[in-house]
Parts: sequence; structure tokens; C-alpha cells
Amino acid sequence: EIVLTQSPGTLSLSPGERATLSCRASQSVSSSYLAWYQQKPGQAPRLLIYGASSRATGIPDRFSGSGSGTDFTLTISRLEPEDFAVYYCQQYGSSRGFTFGPGTKVDIK
Amino acid sequence: EVQLVESGGGLVQPGGSLRLSCAASGFTVSSNYMSWVRQAPGKGLEWVSVIYSGGSTYYADSVKGRFTISRHNSKNTLYLQMNSLRAEDTAVYYCARVLRVGAIDYWGQGTLVTVSS
Repeated sequence: EIVLTQSPGTLSLSPGERATLSCRASQSVSSSYLAWYQQKPGQAPRLLIYGASSRATGIPDRFSGSGSGTDFTLTISRLEPEDFAVYYCQQYGSSRGFTFGPGTKVDIK
Repeated sequence: EVQLVESGGGLVQPGGSLRLSCAASGFTVSSNYMSWVRQAPGKGLEWVSVIYSGGSTYYADSVKGRFTISRHNSKNTLYLQMNSLRAEDTAVYYCARVLRVGAIDYWGQGTLVTVSS
């Protein structure tokens, strides 16, 4: 079973700053099968990035994903007030199912 | 417009059963990968089950043997039959459409299942 670890657990930043979120896998993950989500309180998650670096429909270009193998990164170039939320990475393993990371909370400093 | 609407959640005693439904519109359930994902109060996301377009089903170890995912093609609806429920199954359950690359592009609003005596 692939385990995903996200760091930091909480990221305290100000609007306009750059956010860098890390997702590390316990074994190599195909880049095609790595996704990132944003979740706000009381809402369902929203797909941001799939295939490690492809933005989902309607996602602003301040969100970008990168990485390969066991290390992946979600970058928010300039934080907007609506970006303060919890972010999850997720990998897909066909018959092995899906795994989510524990999440990184981005809150206002 | 793609929509997923869950129903069937509620309060159930330990050992009891519940069936969740997810009515889909704007696409065909049977032609897509569909999944259930849950989130315990104040916790992260946990994958529960998936049904592929070909009909294959897979489950998280935590629910294997107790939960069953299925679909009704003519009703365009996804189900999750949950038996032998435990307190640790308490969560919001989301119905979700899954892209071929394993990313979830549409989520329902969630339905709360509470297992308590």
C-alpha cells in the first residue's frame, strides 16, 4: 500500500505570498495518477490538479503542480483570500484503489 | 450540467445497516468510474470503494466484506450498501465521478452517516 505524507501540516501565510505544499509517496507513483484537491469548511473537495501538473477546468493559473516519482509539489504563486483552505494530494492505483494524503491547511498569518 | 445527489444517510446503531444512494445527472454512471469517499468529523479524506465501467469493484481494507458498491443503470444511480456498521464508520460520505487517470472531477454534497447507540 502506498502511503502519502504531506508537509507542512499547517502553512501560515499572508495574501499575496507564495505557498509551496509537498506530497511524498512511500514508493514511486506514476505522475499520471497524482492529483491535488482543495477543500473549504462544509464543502466537498474540488479538483485542482490531475496528472501531477494539469490544471482542472476553471482552475486559475496561480495553481501549479509538479514532481515525479515520490516527490510532488503544489504551488500557489500568489495567495488570494479564497485560497485559504485544506489541500489534499491523492494517488490512484487501479485495483489497489486510491490513497489520500493527510492534508495541508493553509491559513492566514 | 453534471450533478451528484446523495441520500440515505442518518443515525444507525452499531451492527446496523444503511444504504446510500447517489443520483447522477448530466452523464451516464455506467460509462464512468464511480467511487465513494468518506470523511470522519474533523478528519481527512478516506477512499471507500470504486466501481469501474466494466463492473469491477474494489474496496478499502477497512470496509471490505461489510460494504457493497453497485449501480442501477436505468436509474443512473450509484449505491453503497453498508452492513455491520461500526462507530468508526461515522463520516460524511461523498459520491464521486472518477476520471480514467484516477482523479475525482465531480463530487456530491455528501451525506452524513452516524453510527451510535
